[in-house]
Amino acid sequence: DIVMTQSPDSLAVSLGERATINCKSSQSVLYSSNNKNYLAWYQQKPGQPPKLLISWASTRESGVPDRFSGSGSGTDFTLTISSLQAEDVAVYYCHQFYSAPSTFGQGTNLEIK
Amino acid sequence: QVQLQESGPGLVKPSQTLSLTCTVSGGSISSGSYYWSWIRQPAGKGLEWIGRVYSDGNTIYNPSLKSRVTISLDTSKNQFSLNLNSVTAADTAVYYCTRWGSGTSPTWGQGILVTVSS
Repeated sequence: DIVMTQSPDSLAVSLGERATINCKSSQSVLYSSNNKNYLAWYQQKPGQPPKLLISWASTRESGVPDRFSGSGSGTDFTLTISSLQAEDVAVYYCHQFYSAPSTFGQGTNLEIK
Repeated sequence: QVQLQESGPGLVKPSQTLSLTCTVSGGSISSGSYYWSWIRQPAGKGLEWIGRVYSDGNTIYNPSLKSRVTISLDTSKNQFSLNLNSVTAADTAVYYCTRWGSGTSPTWGQGILVTVSS
């Protein structure tokens, strides 16, 4: 199984400042035949389903503010929020859908400092 | 754009079988090359992949649940289903149905809360 490890577990950032969440997979999630990283990032607020922010490690979903960006390849990935807004308070998860069993990071709880 | 909607009982008694259905709209469940998965999330905890059925009907399950899980397609109703038997309180969770493919990013349903209690 591919183990997904996020860091940190929790993060407090001031409004307008940058927030960075890391995700490391125990095996590569890069599929060589199409050069796609099967790595997604989600935002989850209380009582809501996970919202897909980023797919293929760096492709922002339609409607997602451009302050959210994803980077990385292979086994190391980063979600960056360039200027934190109050509505960004949530738990963030990374998710590999490269192979079964599909697995998730443990989540990062993002708060306002 | 495809949409997924979970349905089923919100309350299941211990030792019984949890049965959920995911109705797919905006696309055919039997066309394309997609993985149709179930994922669950206990209150206050992280996300756990339960298993998946491919468009051709082949299944793979999480080893931790494999002995109790069945996932299947119903192409006539454009649905796929989850059966989890011998449930306990530890199976209480929000259950999500999802879809992704080799070139298609994940799509999620809104989720359904299932409580296991007598």
